[in-house]
Amino acid sequence: KNEVEQSPQNLTAQEGEFITINCSYSVGISALHWLQQHPGGGIVSLFMLSSGKKKHGRLIATINIQEKHSSLHITASHPRDSAVYICAALLTGVTGANSKLTFGKGITLSVRP
Amino acid sequence: DVKVTQSSRYLVKRTGEKVFLECVQDMDHENMFWYRQDPGLGLRLIYFSYDVKMKEKGDIPEGYSVSREKKERFSLILESASTNQTSMYLCASSFVIGEPYEQYFGPGTRLTVT
Repeated sequence: KNEVEQSPQNLTAQEGEFITINCSYSVGISALHWLQQHPGGGIVSLFMLSSGKKKHGRLIATINIQEKHSSLHITASHPRDSAVYICAALLTGVTGANSKLTFGKGITLSVRP
Repeated sequence: DVKVTQSSRYLVKRTGEKVFLECVQDMDHENMFWYRQDPGLGLRLIYFSYDVKMKEKGDIPEGYSVSREKKERFSLILESASTNQTSMYLCASSFVIGEPYEQYFGPGTRLTVT
């Protein structure tokens, strides 16, 4: 069992819908990283959070440490939000020189016009 | 803005060739990472380096080596390329000091080994 789980693998939405992408993990973490990858493109860092909530534009990320769960919300979705969304965990006890991430397999989001 | 660049976007090599993939970052980051990304498997760590001339094996180091002679540059070397090394290769970097160690990624190199 992967330490970081994302499901479903594929998600389809209609333009304008509110979208929630979930990530759960089974180990202790100190922070969670949300990443976005457009088709054929590199990976962009969206958020890194260790508690509570962060917001940037139409994107909101939340984390519940006790429940070992994080969500990425997209409000007023648009076709340009179509991408792979990856969550990655920084495990507890990791120091700067050993700050490896444990990745989920990513969710492919398609937003239809 | 942090910038991580990779030497090629697309690369085609023959089986048995020695292949060099280069990554350069301009943010004075101590940590640098090499990943490969395959459909259904996600991102997997090949090697990482937390300082010049220092390197640590990741989850799948077999068939690869790395070199870090300068802080800003981290090279991935395929000693003798094989078809099962056809993949997307991504480089990333981050600070060692200063949580939460957010990683910044390059655009990726899609390598095809024929």
